[in-house]
Amino acid sequence: QSALTQPASVSGSPGQSITISCTGTSSDVGSYNLVSWYQQHPGKAPKLMIYEVSKRPSGVSNRFSGSKSGNTASLTISGLQAEDEADYYCCSYAGSSNVVFGGGTKLTVL
Amino acid sequence: EVQLVESGGGLVKPGGSLRLSCAASGFTFSSYSMNWVRQAPGKGLEWVSSISSSSSYIYYADSVKGRFTISRDNAKNSLYLQMNSLRAEDTAVYYCARLVGATVKEWGQGTLVTVSS
Repeated sequence: QSALTQPASVSGSPGQSITISCTGTSSDVGSYNLVSWYQQHPGKAPKLMIYEVSKRPSGVSNRFSGSKSGNTASLTISGLQAEDEADYYCCSYAGSSNVVFGGGTKLTVL
Repeated sequence: EVQLVESGGGLVKPGGSLRLSCAASGFTFSSYSMNWVRQAPGKGLEWVSSISSSSSYIYYADSVKGRFTISRDNAKNSLYLQMNSLRAEDTAVYYCARLVGATVKEWGQGTLVTVSS
């Protein structure tokens, strides 16, 4: 049950695009198209942004998109806005009803 | 609107016990698997435990296996986490979470558990 690997921090200027990677193994990310991404602002509960690799829940901006290649999933945020500044976590199904989270990435909007 | 409201957190001494509760509303509770996820101060999210809709399947993270017990009461739309033999490293905000497939669709607001002498 090792955590998925994410960069500790990424940054970008308003209007730019950024990508956050999430690397797992052939037992989790590589085996299932069941990767989700969560946004968490300080002191708040996480919020679902992407599920099943690339699907967006109702109400989530289309500036958020997800993809996967092999054992690595990615979250791309285009047209960065100040309110996007938050922590982002990836999550993957790992079999036997277990899920595993990434260590989190702090996004700074410069 | 789906609502998950946790309660039962607090300060407890190492070796002590605590029982967390989660009151669910806005969906058919008995139809969904439920989970506990925790977040230590300044740290990332950690899956703790899951329970299937009928309690037939229960899973735990290695870090809590043998010490924590998850349960549910579908008649009361409630989820529980009995935590025994608590350690300092169990200090965290504990979130109740509804799983749809393999996705945590909704989260509660969390309840803080502090293990300290």
